[in-house]
Amino acid sequence: DAKTTQPPSMDCAEGRAANLPCNHSTISGNEYVYWYRQIHSQGPQYIIHGLKNNETNEMASLIITEDRKSSTLILPHATLRDTAVYYCIVRVRGDYGQNFVFGPGTRLSVLP
Amino acid sequence: EPEVTQTPSHQVTQMGQEVILRCVPISNHLYFYWYRQILGQKVEFLVSFYNNEISEKSEIFDDQFSVERPDGSNFTLKIRSTKLEDSAMYFCASYLGGTSFNSPLHFGNGTRLTVT
Repeated sequence: DAKTTQPPSMDCAEGRAANLPCNHSTISGNEYVYWYRQIHSQGPQYIIHGLKNNETNEMASLIITEDRKSSTLILPHATLRDTAVYYCIVRVRGDYGQNFVFGPGTRLSVLP
Repeated sequence: EPEVTQTPSHQVTQMGQEVILRCVPISNHLYFYWYRQILGQKVEFLVSFYNNEISEKSEIFDDQFSVERPDGSNFTLKIRSTKLEDSAMYFCASYLGGTSFNSPLHFGNGTRLTVT
């Protein structure tokens, strides 16, 4: 089972910031948090990952709480093309595969 | 930016037929994976492959499934005798590995398999 919990759905107005929360209260000290998204039935697209520091790239920012039990993915200026299912995944130590479990994710709808 | 490519994008086959789904992982990646997603359900792990052998497989990956890296670039998933319940999106993925152990997994855009 996934080690994370996310709200099943969220709406966001186009042009506004989308803040997607994720709880991972059982995360271990050396486990990273990864965010992916899936648009329609396309392959999961990597967005960002982090360990304990906040991270930013051209797609998004990742804010991880100090106790690492939760995180927030921020899309600073959401567009209609950001409508997708967003997955927060904690990779259990080791290889991917069984250690990389997709939950149901959050379905983000960006509204015009 | 390098990407994982999969062919065909859509495969229709009759129950009992063999199918081969093909993938070209990112060229310097060392680990390869197949995942599947039945319509409306979660993405599920099938198998991982490293150093020319299966490193891990899920209970979904039974004797009807096999994987192969026939040359230096392709990675294939074969289903020997397809069943209706094999209808799904099949995603190939690859990962750099080695000292870059926390680098992300990269997915292809999938092959939609329809078994009739």
